[in-house]
Amino acid sequence: DTGVSQNPRHKITKRGQNVTFRCDPISEHNRLYWYRQTLGQGPEFLTYFQNEAQLEKSRLLSDRFSAERPKGSFSTLEIQRTEQGDSAMYLCASSLGVPGYNEQFFGPGTRLTVL
Amino acid sequence: GENVEQHPSTLSVQEGDSAVIKCTYSDSASNYFPWYKQELGKRPQLIIDIRSNVGEKKDQRIAVTLNKTAKHFSLHITETQPEDSAVYFCAASKELTGGGNKLTFGTGTQLKVEL
Repeated sequence: DTGVSQNPRHKITKRGQNVTFRCDPISEHNRLYWYRQTLGQGPEFLTYFQNEAQLEKSRLLSDRFSAERPKGSFSTLEIQRTEQGDSAMYLCASSLGVPGYNEQFFGPGTRLTVL
Repeated sequence: GENVEQHPSTLSVQEGDSAVIKCTYSDSASNYFPWYKQELGKRPQLIIDIRSNVGEKKDQRIAVTLNKTAKHFSLHITETQPEDSAVYFCAASKELTGGGNKLTFGTGTQLKVEL
């Protein structure tokens, strides 16, 4: 499968625990995005990487959220001290870093449930 | 920031009829408008997109129109089939630092194609 992959697909955790999700983009894509989607809503932008540089962060991304892309390939999203309001689908998308190329391809998502 | 409104929230059509979904956006700097189809429990899939220098684009049974002056764009699906049943999201985006683009999504339209 050459598409965007995400692991784990599902995560159930207790409030206050830390969780980490992984995203593997399409291999030649150097742009990587994280979005969050709650039930009945469209995805909301969280953050964006160009290679290993994190170039944009949403105000939605509180201090408890951190994202990394250390080698410009896979990315991780960590949520510390999880809260019930963090329950959502976390989607990763990747895009080719060519001027004028805007298409973003999404992964299957990680569904987080905070009890 | 950008705000995207999408209507209707639900749409039921008979097989073979046409379906139209409309979106408006607020930021005149937005220049890329993709449409995604999301089936239950699946990832959003890009079905068609349009850039601000184009007024209309068609791909088989799917077409998108853009009115920059009015800041609205629409998705048209002709000869609908049961497999078209899904949630459709519109999005608007503008360029970020480094050349990426932040997608702002509408709230989605649940399309049901009835036999």
